[in-house]
Amino acid sequence: GQQLNQSPQSMFIQEGEDVSMNCTSSSIFNTWLWYKQDPGEGPVLLIALYKAGELTSNGRLTAQFGITRKDSFLNISASIPSDVGIYFCAGYNFNKFYFGSGTKLNVKP
Amino acid sequence: SQTIHQWPATLVQPVGSPLSLECTVEGTSNPNLYWYRQAAGRGLQLLFYSVGIGQISSEVPQNLSASRPQDRQFILSSKKLLLSDSGFYLCAWRDRRYPSENIQYFGAGTRLSVL
Repeated sequence: GQQLNQSPQSMFIQEGEDVSMNCTSSSIFNTWLWYKQDPGEGPVLLIALYKAGELTSNGRLTAQFGITRKDSFLNISASIPSDVGIYFCAGYNFNKFYFGSGTKLNVKP
Repeated sequence: SQTIHQWPATLVQPVGSPLSLECTVEGTSNPNLYWYRQAAGRGLQLLFYSVGIGQISSEVPQNLSASRPQDRQFILSSKKLLLSDSGFYLCAWRDRRYPSENIQYFGAGTRLSVL
């Protein structure tokens, strides 16, 4: 299957710091997605990317679709306590979505 | 607007009992539908997906089955639950319509504990 390598697995940061996480794949994807999941809830879509090289922002979040179509990154600027959660990347091809293993973000007030 | 409903939110079942989890989508037609399982602190494992009524693709051989009796209804079932079936089950749908095609939306999930 198509594997996504997401890093880092976890992060402990101070409130106000910037955060960066990324996903890489051996396969090309048509769409890259980034989700956030809070404990006991379903993942919520943060950003969707459709074109190679595309850079998209959603408030303090910025994500990019890699030029090779095999990678993507997510940046969070000026982190706040409510950013705590697990962030997942996902790639889409041919009716199926492939997920990274997640980045668990902890923010110290 | 589109919404996805998944129930129940939590379920405790004895080993060997049957299972039926239901998921329905509102506000769209002919969506792709998906069932995932998530172990604690882990990523999402795709179990089944469907591109239309009666069309089911199985990704992982296991003790579970899925059915799609109506366009916007997706059911996950088991005849006899195993301890290893415990987990967090998520239903999701894919929007095929431009400009939101290739986006997947998730339900709130069902926490299943098999004892």
